[in-house]
Amino acid sequence: QVQLVQSGPEVKKPGASVKVSCRASGYTFTNYGISWVRQAPGQGLEWMGWIRIDNANTDYAQKLQGRVTMTTDTSTSTAYMELRSLRSDDTAVYYCARLGYSHGDAFDHWGQGTQVTVSS
Amino acid sequence: DIQMTQSPSSLSASVGDRVTITCRASQSISSFLNWYQQKPGKAPKFLIYAAISVQFGVPPRFSGSGSGTDFTLTISNLQPEDFATYYCQQSNSFPRTFGQGTKVEFK
Repeated sequence: QVQLVQSGPEVKKPGASVKVSCRASGYTFTNYGISWVRQAPGQGLEWMGWIRIDNANTDYAQKLQGRVTMTTDTSTSTAYMELRSLRSDDTAVYYCARLGYSHGDAFDHWGQGTQVTVSS
Repeated sequence: DIQMTQSPSSLSASVGDRVTITCRASQSISSFLNWYQQKPGKAPKFLIYAAISVQFGVPPRFSGSGSGTDFTLTISNLQPEDFATYYCQQSNSFPRTFGQGTKVEFK
């Protein structure tokens, strides 16, 4: 079955960087895209961007441009999201989600989430 | 960017009720509308894609309708496990955007 397993919780100081991983299994990794979505405490879902695995093309949310980078390692079927110059309002649960091309590009499978806390 | 607006933001209902949640897009998104369910402390769960297609394994009491700018998620015969927050999301264009969520609470 399709699984997306994310790395563990992180605590970072303002100005630092964080890199979250998302290891995929149960499907052909290069046949789908991966999106990243975050959720601040008590808030809704915010799309951060996505990466097309077969050609590594990316598209990022305007507000994160210049601070976020999404990459993949196809040899290990792992996607990565790095966020730099962290601020307190980056404190959130970060999710990876598979882009279901056969499901109207919906996010058809999700990782379990990674808590990132930014605090001095 | 396409803005997605859900209503209501929250509602109270009882087991067995029929519940309707509305999602409106700021411009036409054809049928590129998806629905998710999220329970506290859990990742969202994919329910419906392309406005009306129920994902395999999702109970048939969940249904979706609409096209263009106005969409609806209906839960008929509400069950205890359905108390959660529901989000709509458009996949018509980038950036992808979500509604603010509708919390379905126990009356």
